[in-house]
Amino acid sequence: ELKVEQNPLFLSMQEEKNYTIYCNYSTTSDRLYWYRQDPGKSLESLFVLLSNGAVKQEGRLMASLDTKARLSTLHITAAVHDLSATYFCAVDRGGSEKLVFGKGTKLTVNP
Amino acid sequence: DAGITQSPRHKVTETGTPVTLRCHQTENHRYMYWYRQDPGHGLRLIHYSYGVKDTDKGEVSDGYSVSRSKTEDFLLTLESATSSQTSVYFCAISEVIPTYEQYFGPGTRLTVT
Repeated sequence: ELKVEQNPLFLSMQEEKNYTIYCNYSTTSDRLYWYRQDPGKSLESLFVLLSNGAVKQEGRLMASLDTKARLSTLHITAAVHDLSATYFCAVDRGGSEKLVFGKGTKLTVNP
Repeated sequence: DAGITQSPRHKVTETGTPVTLRCHQTENHRYMYWYRQDPGHGLRLIHYSYGVKDTDKGEVSDGYSVSRSKTEDFLLTLESATSSQTSVYFCAISEVIPTYEQYFGPGTRLTVT
């Protein structure tokens, strides 16, 4: 059974600081997705990582994938308040069209 | 934004009544999914569809049924609603090409009293 764990589940940061969210998964997979959810809203796709060593960057967010370690990271650089949201990683079930989601990391960026 | 709508957006119903939620897409994507989101659980897959009349169970399918008679519509039915089914329900769509990336609808907040 595929399990996806995110750490930390809650993260309170100061503006301009850097931090990393971790996503570990338990079985082999070649595709990993990161989503953002604002309170009361739907999920917005951030990154799609399709192979070992994949790195994607958008603004202050950078995501990477290490399939051998079964680990993805979402790195936040010089955080700003607008990044406050819940971030989810999701992993496909080995070539399947189904995803398993982590429980999410609630990020709060304080002035 | 992917063309996905859900209806109703909010619903309050009583225990024991049947409830149907609708997901409608204009993207002609093959795959459609129903998730529920609860605090502390993230998103959990209820049912999904891989084509018209082709559906399969997810990890929390008990008490739910689905139907897909047209590519664009995916219905989720709570056969006899219970308080444990109070949740936010999200529909999602995806396509094989290029990445199976899932796009989510706006959600339906369901309260069972």
